[in-house]
Amino acid sequence: SAVISQKPSRDICQRGTSLTIQCQVDSQVTMMFWYRQQPGQSLTLIATANQGSEATYESGFVIDKFPISRPNLTFSTLTVSNMSPEDSSIYLCSVQGPGGTEAFFGQGTRLTVV
Amino acid sequence: KQEVTQIPAALSVPEGENLVLNCSFTDSAIYNLQWFRQDPGKGLTSLLLIQSSQREQTSGRLNASLDKSSGRSTLYIAASQPGDSATYLCAPRSNDYKLSFGAGTTVTVRA
Repeated sequence: SAVISQKPSRDICQRGTSLTIQCQVDSQVTMMFWYRQQPGQSLTLIATANQGSEATYESGFVIDKFPISRPNLTFSTLTVSNMSPEDSSIYLCSVQGPGGTEAFFGQGTRLTVV
Repeated sequence: KQEVTQIPAALSVPEGENLVLNCSFTDSAIYNLQWFRQDPGKGLTSLLLIQSSQREQTSGRLNASLDKSSGRSTLYIAASQPGDSATYLCAPRSNDYKLSFGAGTTVTVRA
């Protein structure tokens, strides 16, 4: 299994500011994914982050709002830019386990925008 | 686009009862399907992974079945305990490795 460390675990931010969330994995993985879980909702994929290439964003998510870095095979960051209260959500990092099968998740970052 | 439906949305049972959680999905061209558990405000814990070629997968008190052609999976939890109280999420994976999630079934096991 893969162990994922996500930081920060929670934060309260002022509207108009930006927050960068870090995701560290204990093993090298090709594909990392970022999800958003809005209050009372299920998970929605924001983007896929592959090392050495630009992140691929899902419909409704844009790079200017959610820039992603993937500098190596064990680390990624997601930035939530120019935040508004509607961005209040849990943001989760996910990786595929060895062999590209089982998916593992970090503990999430609970973001509240005031 | 894959649509995932989980029924029931919520379930409350006394301790010791068996649980049956249903998941249906619209696109049967899946790579595999994973069941997760989520505790309030937390991340996801993987429970079971069932490959598209499998019909069933078991781990302890958990058993998941998969009928790929009809787009259905069922998670069975035997002899439920209060510690099983959580939200259970079904997530089929497409061939491009992306997971699609249902809204989940929130389970409460009463002591």
